[in-house]
Amino acid sequence: GAGVSQTPSNKVTEKGKYVELRCDPISGHTALYWYRQSLGQGPEFLIYFQGTGAADDSGLPNDRFFAVRPEGSVSTLKIQRTERGDSAVYLCASSLGSGRTWNEQFFGPGTRLTVL
Amino acid sequence: RKEVEQDPGPFNVPEGATVAFNCTYSNSASQSFFWYRQDCRKEPKLLMSVYSSGNEDGRFTAQLNRASQYISLLIRDSKLSDSATYLCVVNAPGNTPLVFGKGTRLSVIA
Repeated sequence: GAGVSQTPSNKVTEKGKYVELRCDPISGHTALYWYRQSLGQGPEFLIYFQGTGAADDSGLPNDRFFAVRPEGSVSTLKIQRTERGDSAVYLCASSLGSGRTWNEQFFGPGTRLTVL
Repeated sequence: RKEVEQDPGPFNVPEGATVAFNCTYSNSASQSFFWYRQDCRKEPKLLMSVYSSGNEDGRFTAQLNRASQYISLLIRDSKLSDSATYLCVVNAPGNTPLVFGKGTRLSVIA
């Protein structure tokens, strides 16, 4: 079946601009996660949704970052007033959210964000 | 101490060799453990879950030592296609985020 999809695959923007990154999880997965990954590092947790609500947003670095999942499926990560330090690959993952394998997460291909 | 620590490598091994990676974690309450594989400029892919005393999947064996708080991954009969970065991942109980190590790079050489 279809995996996690993310759009766009690449985004180049200028410092100070607003960007939106979209994630479409695996059908039937109630849990959705956003991470970001810099070169040479493992993915760093940003926010986790269970259904429509943000169950844990403790990883969002500051109030310029916001994410929504209004219908419990597609999610959008929004970054305001982008800074050069926001440049990274933004990864989305989803999991079943229940059962023995509730938190086995499957990742999308990521959005490579470059802030000039 | 970092939450999840791995030797970054690189591990350069010949085809057919057996190679083992270790990973240590700091949160003794951790309940779920995983190994992910990540190819260059690609997303992480789930390789194995490690839920109890360890498990085996073909050439791959994962072990968990709760007393010493480490997880290992053993790859037997290495193939060129095993070349990748292997990420150790740990999860505390309940709805808590996964914590990733920085990964260990493996290069299998012909």
